[in-house]
Amino acid sequence: EAGVAQSPRYKIIEKRQSVAFWCNPISGHATLYWYQQILGQGPKLLIQFQNNGVVDDSQLPKDRFSAERLKGVDSTLKIQPAKLEDSAVYLCASSFRNGRVNEQFFGPGTRLTVL
Amino acid sequence: AQTVTQSQPEMSVQEAETVTLSCTYDTSESDYYLFWYKQPPSRQMILVIRQEAYKQQNATENRFSVNFQKAAKSFSLKISDSQLGDAAMYFCAYRSSPRNEKLTFGTGTRLTIIP
Repeated sequence: EAGVAQSPRYKIIEKRQSVAFWCNPISGHATLYWYQQILGQGPKLLIQFQNNGVVDDSQLPKDRFSAERLKGVDSTLKIQPAKLEDSAVYLCASSFRNGRVNEQFFGPGTRLTVL
Repeated sequence: AQTVTQSQPEMSVQEAETVTLSCTYDTSESDYYLFWYKQPPSRQMILVIRQEAYKQQNATENRFSVNFQKAAKSFSLKISDSQLGDAAMYFCAYRSSPRNEKLTFGTGTRLTIIP
């Protein structure tokens, strides 16, 4: 079974530029998550999708961050314009609802550096 | 809001020895889940072990076991017979209920294995 795919693995941009990250979850996983992991910290949930609907985006900085999952499969996270504090690893995860505990499977992440 | 605290930024252990990583959490809920994730340099988060709060028995997965103290809100991870491949960041995570899939992570413990 293929895992969660993310691209690119690395991205370096200047502040005020735009950037987009792509995630393809495990086939059949209805729930998709985007996490932000700043150096030295644990991942923080930015947004959670159930199919193509948003379940939780309470910690997404909506003035600059946006995310979509139009067909309920792959997803794109965009930052426009980027700030220095957006430098982080962006992790995508997916899960399949099967019982009480739905394990989240993580992708390799995209490391963003904003200069 | 739930918080997860890992008070050991770094730990080291001799190969083949046993090490215990600490985690405490704060919650007012009675039904929740606790997890330990491993993040190697490749950045991909891997689930090590999970514990459901309603289960009194401590979870065990091969060389990994937990000491779950619900009253004390403590959830430590014991790694027996440490191997070089165990070197990684270890994150403790909390999830509040079967319906709420949001994970709250601690700040992590970097584990070094000394050959």
